[in-house]
Amino acid sequence: EPEVTQTPSHQVTQMGQEVILHCVPISNHLYFYWYRQILGQKVEFLVSFYNNEISEKSEIFDDQFSVERPDGSNFTLKIRSTKLEDSAMYFCASSEQFYGYTFGSGTRLTVV
Amino acid sequence: EDQVTQSPEALRLQEGESSSLNCSYTVSGLRGLFWYRQDPGKGPEFLFTLYSAGEEKEKERLKATLTKKESFLHITAPKPEDSATYLCAVVDAGNMLTFGGGTRLMVKP
Repeated sequence: EPEVTQTPSHQVTQMGQEVILHCVPISNHLYFYWYRQILGQKVEFLVSFYNNEISEKSEIFDDQFSVERPDGSNFTLKIRSTKLEDSAMYFCASSEQFYGYTFGSGTRLTVV
Repeated sequence: EDQVTQSPEALRLQEGESSSLNCSYTVSGLRGLFWYRQDPGKGPEFLFTLYSAGEEKEKERLKATLTKKESFLHITAPKPEDSATYLCAVVDAGNMLTFGGGTRLMVKP
């Protein structure tokens, strides 16, 4: 069964450092997403990406966040200057249309 | 603003003891309601999508139903391997999922 692959599974970074989280969506999917889940809290939407541009973003997705599809297979989330409160599980997801989202296993980001 | 509330927050069942999880929602223009299963340290795993009131979907011991205000996930004769957090989420006119807080299900043998 097709999978969404996320790397690394765990990332530890110093506060103020830049991090890039990597995702390989399912190959024939057209919509790509990032969500995050702070420990013990709800899964929250960050951003959606379609046709090489951001289609929606939440209030969380401020100027320190950016997304990129650098080639035909990868989808990345960059956090420019990490803060302690950015510590969370970050999930990438993809879908053919608005239904049938498939999530990756996540990257646990720990900011120290 | 879309709102999704799940209850109970946690549920302990004995193996074989059937029960239901609730998801209440407020959304303008529901395009779909989703149920996911999430195991600790993992991403949400898709279970069902429901599109309109009255719709029902089944998979093994799970059955999801939808009304205009809420959805239920019925678990029939659960097994320990059904232990997980069950997440409900809605999609409105946009393309983003709004999640509830989840129900943590523990099934004891």
